[in-house]
Amino acid sequence: DTGVSQDPRHKITKRGQNVTFRCDPISEHNRLYWYRQTLGQGPEFLTYFQNEAQLEKSRLLSDRFSAERPKGSFSTLEIQRTEQGDSAMYLCASSRNGKAYEQYFGPGTRLTVT
Amino acid sequence: DAKTTQPPSMDCAEGRAANLPCNHSTISGNEYVYWYRQIHSQGPQYIIHGLKNNETNEMASLIITEDRKSSTLILPHATLRDTAVYYCIVRDSFGNEKLTFGTGTRLTIIP
Repeated sequence: DTGVSQDPRHKITKRGQNVTFRCDPISEHNRLYWYRQTLGQGPEFLTYFQNEAQLEKSRLLSDRFSAERPKGSFSTLEIQRTEQGDSAMYLCASSRNGKAYEQYFGPGTRLTVT
Repeated sequence: DAKTTQPPSMDCAEGRAANLPCNHSTISGNEYVYWYRQIHSQGPQYIIHGLKNNETNEMASLIITEDRKSSTLILPHATLRDTAVYYCIVRDSFGNEKLTFGTGTRLTIIP
């Protein structure tokens, strides 16, 4: 169990630029989740995948956001035309089939939009 | 998912038991209580969960009142590494994949 990894750990970008984050889940986990966390708040759910299928998206996930998990393994989260309000920690988590309550989180990618 | 209420912060002396309360007065019959914690600069970590019986694992104990309207997470012998934000989450396990975090309780263990 090597844990959930995320890359990059930090990203600074200028408003209007596109950014892409990567998440590698625990290898035998078929469920993968993205959350966003702003300072002083708990994580907020964005979307989740079961294998390669994206099964739920939050209303927080505007049309500038897109997530993929093409082969049911790693996932990417892309933000187009970034805005200052997108500055946050983006967390990825994974879980086993049947144990969605026990989600293993990665260290997160901290995005700063200037 | 039912709403939870937690104190914003608590202190506990190292070596003592830390008791973290959570109110969930609108919990429904098929909703479980889950606890996660988030140590600074890390992602959240699952601790324990329960439905109505008290639960214990290697990390903590969970005490749920008989009416299920509140619960207490107990860290029996707190260490400095237990300093973290602790989240109480109430969640319907049927077809619900997401975790809904509140603002949690910031627990500080005092040496």
